[in-house]
Amino acid sequence: DAGVIQSPRHEVTEMGQEVTLRCKPISGHDYLFWYRQTMMRGLELLIYFNNNVPIDDSGMPEDRFSAKMPNASFSTLKIQPSEPRDSAVYFCASRITDTQYFGPGTRLTVL
Amino acid sequence: AQRVTQPEKLLSVFKGAPVELKCNYSYSGSPELFWYVQYSRQRLQLLLRHISRESIKGFTADLNKGETSFHLKKPFAQEEDSAMYYCALSRGSTLGRLYFGRGTQLTVWP
Repeated sequence: DAGVIQSPRHEVTEMGQEVTLRCKPISGHDYLFWYRQTMMRGLELLIYFNNNVPIDDSGMPEDRFSAKMPNASFSTLKIQPSEPRDSAVYFCASRITDTQYFGPGTRLTVL
Repeated sequence: AQRVTQPEKLLSVFKGAPVELKCNYSYSGSPELFWYVQYSRQRLQLLLRHISRESIKGFTADLNKGETSFHLKKPFAQEEDSAMYYCALSRGSTLGRLYFGRGTQLTVWP
């Protein structure tokens, strides 16, 4: 099993552009989480899904951020329009029982 | 409300010295506590969970409900222990999310 897969691994874009981050959770896991990691704020939970249904999106910074999970094997996090302060590492994680398994992260740089 | 506090953002020790990474929590129920570790440019991974009462890579952590703490300890630190360590709390296995602390960057000097 390759674990949680995220793409792209690195993304550099210009302010105002749309950014889409992708995640493939581990097969059979019923929860999926999106996190953002920065030096200033540490690890922040943005949103999580249970059985493809969004459960808590209170961590989503603002309306520029949106996340979808159209099926059990795929999720996206979209930022539109992107801003320099969105620069961070974005992690996806999935879980079954009590252990979360993290993806390698997407390092986003917004110029 | 639940909260996880890691008071030290940075911690440095020399190889062979004991190390303790502090974690305090607040939660009125019966929490489950975890330590996650992130080595340089790698993904976060579970290090240990309190319910297992296990020792992983020489690390142990005991849940102290009286002090609401879950400190991570290792008697003799190694250079390869240098990493970011996150303490996390779950309100119960059925309640979905983890609440993470801000993390402690541990550096073990040779």
